[in-house]
Amino acid sequence: ETGVTQTPRHLVMGMTNKKSLKCEQHLGHNAMYWYKQSAKKPLELMFVYSLEERVENNSVPSRFSPECPNSSHLFLHLHTLQPEDSALYLCASSQGPGTRGINEQFFGPGTRLTVL
Amino acid sequence: AQSVTQPDIHITVSEGASLELRCNYSYGATPYLFWYVQSPGQGLQLLLKYFSGDTLVQGIKGFEAEFKRSQSSFNLRKPSVHWSDAAEYFCAVGPNAGNNRKLIWGLGTSLAVNP
Repeated sequence: ETGVTQTPRHLVMGMTNKKSLKCEQHLGHNAMYWYKQSAKKPLELMFVYSLEERVENNSVPSRFSPECPNSSHLFLHLHTLQPEDSALYLCASSQGPGTRGINEQFFGPGTRLTVL
Repeated sequence: AQSVTQPDIHITVSEGASLELRCNYSYGATPYLFWYVQSPGQGLQLLLKYFSGDTLVQGIKGFEAEFKRSQSSFNLRKPSVHWSDAAEYFCAVGPNAGNNRKLIWGLGTSLAVNP
């Protein structure tokens, strides 16, 4: 595998279910991200992990719970979601940013989540 | 406030025609600038980026973009569009220094290509 992989690619869940999204990066990067992509909205940054430490959490509801066990793996645990949480969830990774500013982010193919 | 505006929600061009997708930003300081492309059912792929230096940058798939500081713009161009270029295009800006990892994204421009 190369780049950033995500599983599953599609997920349908009821509002009472618990599920997890998985992301793995094979690029040797030290930062990983979860984004939510909804129609007619800018890409929403949810969480950022740098060296396995959460460095950003953009007011995301507690029904979304991230986990980063190491610099290559990132999970998003989901429970008691709402229909408005249906979206494409994208994982990304990057190196740095170091001292010279933000680096480009490399994205996985996403998980299309539907909450019934 | 920091923002990225892509004025064209949807553009249709004929195959072989030239293309320009617009991106304007409001950021305070001169940011780093990115263009990404998203094909249906896929994640985002980096087309090109501008950090410093020559304001005309070349990217993958024959795309280029020009940074114009005076206009706060970073427009994406391609001289001859191929049917495979049909996709969603996103402009993003981010900080040129410090530890902030947050990109500011535009809403995207959907490109359709007529045969």
